Amino acid sequence: KAGVTQTPRYLIKTRGQQVTLSCSPISGHRSVSWYQQTPGQGLQFLFEYFSETQRNKGNFPGRFSGRQFSNSRSEMNVSTLELGDSALYLCASSLDSQETQYFGPGTRLLVL
Amino acid sequence: DQQVKQNSPSLSVQEGRISILNCDYTNSMFDYFLWYKKYPAEGPTFLISISSIKDKNEDGRFTVFLNKSAKHLSLHIVPSQPGDSAVYFCAASYGAGSYQLTFGKGTKLSVIP
Repeated sequence: KAGVTQTPRYLIKTRGQQVTLSCSPISGHRSVSWYQQTPGQGLQFLFEYFSETQRNKGNFPGRFSGRQFSNSRSEMNVSTLELGDSALYLCASSLDSQETQYFGPGTRLLVL
Repeated sequence: DQQVKQNSPSLSVQEGRISILNCDYTNSMFDYFLWYKKYPAEGPTFLISISSIKDKNEDGRFTVFLNKSAKHLSLHIVPSQPGDSAVYFCAASYGAGSYQLTFGKGTKLSVIP
């Protein structure tokens, strides 16, 4: 079974721009969660989607948003990028009835 | 306010010996705990988990112990192998259907041949 895939793997943007990251979950998984990893803050939860609905949201500003499509694929959008948004963005998927999340390889975003 | 803490940023162990990675948590609502391993440039890989109704769970060379009264869990790797060298993250969640994981900041394990 294919794992979680994320595109693109690397991205360079400038301050003020916006960016969209994509995540395809493991086949059959309906829950998709997003995390931000930075050296200072570690892995922090952004939000979680299930059946196209956001179920949980972490403590991030409204510039961070997401959505999930009917095929469970998910996108994350960051508007008005700031230097501090430079991070590894990780997507994880899980079955609804289980709490084990399986992670993708991440998208490395660099904001200049 | 860090709810999940891994107080050792790094750990070095000889090949063949036991590696013990520790994790403390402050939120008594946490009822499910997981360990992930992460190599550079890759996403975290699930290793092992434990529910709060248990105090031990084993999977091959990996054993997780949970001490709820102390709000402490540990991951034991026996025997340690050079391929185990990675960053290990402890994570916790609470509530049925809660998919929000709270992570520690990780412990970098180096297994020396």
